[in-house]
Amino acid sequence: DAKTTQPPSMDCAEGRAANLPCNHSTISGNEYVYWYRQIHSQGPQYIIHGLKNNETNEMASLIITEDRKSSTLILPHATLRDTAVYYCIVRAPAQGGSEKLVFGKGTKLTVNP
Amino acid sequence: GAVVSQHPSRVICKSGTSVKIECRSLDFQATTMFWYRQFPKQSLMLMATSNEGSKATYEQGVEKDKFLINHASLTLSTLTVTSAHPEDSSFYICSAGGPGGSPLHFGNGTRLTVT
Repeated sequence: DAKTTQPPSMDCAEGRAANLPCNHSTISGNEYVYWYRQIHSQGPQYIIHGLKNNETNEMASLIITEDRKSSTLILPHATLRDTAVYYCIVRAPAQGGSEKLVFGKGTKLTVNP
Repeated sequence: GAVVSQHPSRVICKSGTSVKIECRSLDFQATTMFWYRQFPKQSLMLMATSNEGSKATYEQGVEKDKFLINHASLTLSTLTVTSAHPEDSSFYICSAGGPGGSPLHFGNGTRLTVT
């Protein structure tokens, strides 16, 4: 699987947008970019994923560069409950849910009041 | 959305005993489930892939005789930590994928403390 590089930590003010970058310069053509987050002492929570096009859902937006070598997760209006470790993972999907995810160190996002 | 339930959420056991952790997919069938372990202030480490009706696939360095995995049905996988020792104390997390290649979803984890 392609490796990803994320900053170890970031801070954001409550109510402002949080932009979390991820570099995946060795990504292959069929690999998706997945984002998960882990709030302290809980299991990881799926946020969003994409292949080429930008994606948006009720939680966040995912912006993927045209060359697909990097992406940004955007939380449009961060709240204190968004404080968590955010993981960017690149993986080719497999049928039947058999795709394993290999976690890096992620970005510790702290939302400040 | 897909829901994965893990039980128990916390367990304390004495050294030398065995502990079983259950992982259930509540609203979908999962032929494959994954087990992770997480030590404090570290990332999740994949331990093994649980395959329904066949043997689990273990990652390098994970002892298969110590961490027994059983995936007897399409909605249940169990991880048994045998002859637990204090160094096995950790946060154990399972995950499963929904149908059609949808993203993996995770249980809320089991905090194991071996005294």
